[in-house]
Amino acid sequence: GDSVTQMEGPVTLSEEAFLTINCTYTATGYPSLFWYVQYPGEGLQLLLKATKADDKGSNKGFEATYRKETTSFHLEKGSVQVSDSAVYFCALLVGGKLTFGQGTILTVHP
Amino acid sequence: EPEVTQTPSHQVTQMGQEVILRCVPISNHLYFYWYRQILGQKVEFLVSFYNNEISEKSEIFDDQFSVERPDGSNFTLKIRSTKLEDSAMYFCAIDGAVEQFFGPGTRLTVL
Repeated sequence: GDSVTQMEGPVTLSEEAFLTINCTYTATGYPSLFWYVQYPGEGLQLLLKATKADDKGSNKGFEATYRKETTSFHLEKGSVQVSDSAVYFCALLVGGKLTFGQGTILTVHP
Repeated sequence: EPEVTQTPSHQVTQMGQEVILRCVPISNHLYFYWYRQILGQKVEFLVSFYNNEISEKSEIFDDQFSVERPDGSNFTLKIRSTKLEDSAMYFCAIDGAVEQFFGPGTRLTVL
C-alpha cells in the first residue's frame, strides 16, 4: 500500500536557522505530493505541492522538490521564523485518497 | 482557496450515542472526503464521496459510520454508536484542481 515516512521530531531551531524535514514515500501509482501545515489549535493548511517528477513546490519561503529517483519530497526553508512553529505533514495523493506521514513538530525559538 | 466550514467545532458525547458532524463547502463541489486525526497521531483517510455515493472507504470506516449529502450542500458524517476510541479531530475536505482543501475540523470527545 501507499505510505509516507517523515523524519522523526520534534525539531527545535533558533530563529533564522536552516530547516530540513525529510519525507520519503512509497506509492502504487504516480502520486502528487504535498506538504500541509497545522498551526496550534487549527486545521490543515496546504503549504505547497508538486504533481510530477522534478517539480519544485514553493510557498512562504518553503520549498520541496519531487524526486522520483529517491522517492523523496524534503521540505526546506532557508531562514525560519518563530511564526513557523507548527506541525508539518508530508502527504501523497493517489486515486483521490491522501496518505499522510506522521507529522513533524517544529518549534522555533527567538 | 476554497472555503469549507464544519460544525460543531467541538462535540462532547456519551459512549453509545449517535453524533452527526457537518461540513459545508462555500461553493459547489462534487468530491468530499472525511479524515480523522487521533490526538498526537497522523491524519487518516476515512471515506471519499462522489456524486452522492461512496467511492472509497478505509478499514476504519465500518458499519458504525455513514455519510450522506442530505440537501445538496451539507455533507455529513454520522457515527451511529460512539466508542471511546472515536475521540479524535474529524476533518472534511473538498477537491481542488489537484489538492484537497480541509475544513477547520470538529473535535469529538467521547466520554
